[in-house]
Amino acid sequence: GENVEQHPSTLSVQEGDSAVIKCTYSDSASNYFPWYKQELGKRPQLIIDIRSNVGEKKDQRIAVTLNKTAKHFSLHITETQPEDSAVYFCAAGTGFQKLVFGTGTRLLVSP
Amino acid sequence: GAGVSQSPSNKVTEKGKDVELRCDPISGHTALYWYRQSLGQGLEFLIYFQGNSAPDKSGLPSDRFSAERTGGSVSTLTIQRTQQEDSAVYLCASSSDRGVNQPQHFGDGTRLSIL
Repeated sequence: GENVEQHPSTLSVQEGDSAVIKCTYSDSASNYFPWYKQELGKRPQLIIDIRSNVGEKKDQRIAVTLNKTAKHFSLHITETQPEDSAVYFCAAGTGFQKLVFGTGTRLLVSP
Repeated sequence: GAGVSQSPSNKVTEKGKDVELRCDPISGHTALYWYRQSLGQGLEFLIYFQGNSAPDKSGLPSDRFSAERTGGSVSTLTIQRTQQEDSAVYLCASSSDRGVNQPQHFGDGTRLSIL
């Protein structure tokens, strides 16, 4: 089955810096890669997703890149702000099936 | 419209008791998923429904866990003879079937504590 690894487990940056979180997956059949942001005690919120027919997607300060050959995808946050502090999860899935999640990255943005 | 609704938000019960957790998906969403999140951990898949049928039950950790969905809407996750290791946040998500790879939207979860 699918296995998703996520790095780093924690990431501390200064406000205004960029943050990059990386994930790798094992199942070449996976074709959907969402990223979720989870604040303490809250529900995971979808922030961006990418499908395997594209290599990059941007939404304001957030971008995701996908390398199907290497089976890895990354989340890039530019101009970080304190409100970006949260736990970020990557996931991989196929069609309507379950998502397999990474173990999460705790991002701390210091003012 | 309303998001995914889960109840109760918190449940504390004694070891050995049975519990029922409820999920009300976004109206019109035919796919429904249950996940479990232990403290400080990632999300662990439990079961997936498409309509009322469950094509994938592979994540249910033991036969003490079961789930059903009736009318293609509300789902109930039941844990029988609860154990302390069942303590976790149980999250439900739903997605549309209008095309593949539709985003999964999560509820706030039920925080289950087994004493």
